[in-house]
Amino acid sequence: GEDVEQSLFLSVREGDSSVINCTYTDSSSTYLYWYKQEPGAGLQLLTYIFSNMDMKQDQRLTVLLNKKDKHLSLRIADTQTGDSAIYFCAESSLGSQGNLIFGKGTKLSVKP
Amino acid sequence: DGGITQSPKYLFRKEGQNVTLSCEQNLNHDAMYWYRQDPGQGLRLIYYSQIVNDFQKGDIAEGYSVSREKKESFPLTVTSAQKNPTAFYLCASSPNAGISTDTQYFGPGTRLTVL
Repeated sequence: GEDVEQSLFLSVREGDSSVINCTYTDSSSTYLYWYKQEPGAGLQLLTYIFSNMDMKQDQRLTVLLNKKDKHLSLRIADTQTGDSAIYFCAESSLGSQGNLIFGKGTKLSVKP
Repeated sequence: DGGITQSPKYLFRKEGQNVTLSCEQNLNHDAMYWYRQDPGQGLRLIYYSQIVNDFQKGDIAEGYSVSREKKESFPLTVTSAQKNPTAFYLCASSPNAGISTDTQYFGPGTRLTVL
């Protein structure tokens, strides 16, 4: 079945850039999403990219999509301590009836 | 305020008891979802509903039941048949049913602990 993979941990220093990577297997993916989860809270939609796009930028966030390699990344510029959270990659595809396949999440720790 | 509410935030139950988790949305969304989150496991889909009075099993439906009598409400019952019910439960909704390009919006979650 479809699968979404992420590394589990990332640690960066405040002010540096963070890059969180994700790979997926479903070649019929339509949208790819990044969600942020702070401790004890629900998921907050950060950004998403349509599968026919290569890049999307939104303030400090840049999403890059390499459809050939089925690789998605989220870059956070000037990372702050408030960015410490778990980041989930998710994909939806044709025929999924709107259901999302989630990765296991990458825990980002930002050190002062 | 528009949004998705889940209650309670924390829930404690004794082993062998059924428990119902509430999820309400006032976004006029057609589709609603229940996920379970365990540490290091990501989110796994329990049940989803695309329209009132209809719902489908997700990947881990065993030991759970749902109802969708009203568009805005999608309660989840964790039954005594669920072998390991302690987890964080997340409800979500999306505007349209069965549309792969729709975005899902999440509630704040309910942490269930079975003693």
